[in-house]
Amino acid sequence: KAGVTQTPRYLIKTRGQQVTLSCSPISGHRSVSWYQQTPGQGLQFLFEYFSETQRNKGNFPGRFSGRQFSNSRSEMNVSTLELGDSALYLCASVGPGTGGEQFFGPGTRLTVL
Amino acid sequence: EDQVTQSPEALRLQEGESSSLNCSYTVSGLRGLFWYRQDPGKGPEFLFTLYSAGEEKEKERLKATLTKKESFLHITAPKPEDSATYLCASPGPGANNLFFGTGTRLTVIP
Repeated sequence: KAGVTQTPRYLIKTRGQQVTLSCSPISGHRSVSWYQQTPGQGLQFLFEYFSETQRNKGNFPGRFSGRQFSNSRSEMNVSTLELGDSALYLCASVGPGTGGEQFFGPGTRLTVL
Repeated sequence: EDQVTQSPEALRLQEGESSSLNCSYTVSGLRGLFWYRQDPGKGPEFLFTLYSAGEEKEKERLKATLTKKESFLHITAPKPEDSATYLCASPGPGANNLFFGTGTRLTVIP
């Protein structure tokens, strides 16, 4: 069974630009969560989608948004990039009938110059 | 406020030298305590979930235990390939929202 995939793996943007990251969950998983990982703050929850609906949101500004498609693939968007948005962005999927274990993708490394 | 605190921040072990990593949590209504391993530049890899005090789970050289206030990840006779950052997490409010500790960076020296 293929794991969680994320594209692109690396991105370099400049301040003020916007960026879209993509995540394909494990087949059959309908929940996708997004996290930001930085050396200073560690792993922080951004938001979670299930069946195309955002069910949960972390404490991030409105510049961070996401969506989920009918095939469970998810995208997150960051508008008006700031230097502090440089991070590893991770998505994770959760399957039915599990104990809530989240399976992570390899991440997208975003660098904002 | 719910908190997950890991110690030590970093740990260097000689190959074969057993030790334990600590995860302290102050979470009301614990709905599971998760352990992950993360290698540099990669996403976290799921290891264990523990749900109740006294529960233990093992995988190769790793054993996770849970009490009412903390969890331990015991590493027996570690090998260099066990070098990684080990993260613990508890479910936050809402669905599929994990609240992570800052991790323990383990280095095993041959």
